Amino acid sequence: KAGVTQTPRYLIKTRGQQVTLSCSPISGHRSVSWYQQTPGQGLQFLFEYFSETQRNKGNFPGRFSGRQFSNSRSEMNVSTLELGDSALYLCASYLGGLRDTEAFFGQGTRLTVV
Amino acid sequence: AQSVTQPDIHITVSEGASLELRCNYSYGATPYLFWYVQSPGQGLQLLLKYFSGDTLVQGIKGFEAEFKRSQSSFNLRKPSVHWSDAAEYFCAVGAWGDYKLSFGAGTTVTVRA
Repeated sequence: KAGVTQTPRYLIKTRGQQVTLSCSPISGHRSVSWYQQTPGQGLQFLFEYFSETQRNKGNFPGRFSGRQFSNSRSEMNVSTLELGDSALYLCASYLGGLRDTEAFFGQGTRLTVV
Repeated sequence: AQSVTQPDIHITVSEGASLELRCNYSYGATPYLFWYVQSPGQGLQLLLKYFSGDTLVQGIKGFEAEFKRSQSSFNLRKPSVHWSDAAEYFCAVGAWGDYKLSFGAGTTVTVRA
């Protein structure tokens, strides 16, 4: 079956703009998490959604937001982009069961802010 | 709070030699532990995971890891490295029912011929 799909794969934006990234989880998976990966900070948890509800949030400013739709697809939005937002943004999907903690990652969206 | 330390930033190993990557974690309860591998520009692929039971875990691509509670460690090993194993490796810790992973800084593995 298809894996986690993230679109677009690459983005170049200008400081001050906003951007929306999309993640389609594996069919049947109900939980989606987002991570930011940078050379300086490594992999950092942004937030997690389950059944359209945000269940967990990392330590990021309010410029970072997300949502999940009824079909489990998720989007994350970054407003007022800063140079430091340049990163690889990874989405992970989970089946969502009580004993399920195995994350399946997409290939990521590479965001460059200029 | 949970945290993961990977002491080695970069390891160079000869093809055919053995490989061991170190991982130490800090977590109050019983952790769920993972090793992921990432090739340049790609996402993360799960190599293996530990939830409970046998402390020696077998994964894909010939990797194994051993959970040692007394040392708070979850080291990854491979008996004989192939050139295709060159990548970045991440250790991660999670909790039961919590879909938030804390990752180590990663170890880059270079394989020389």
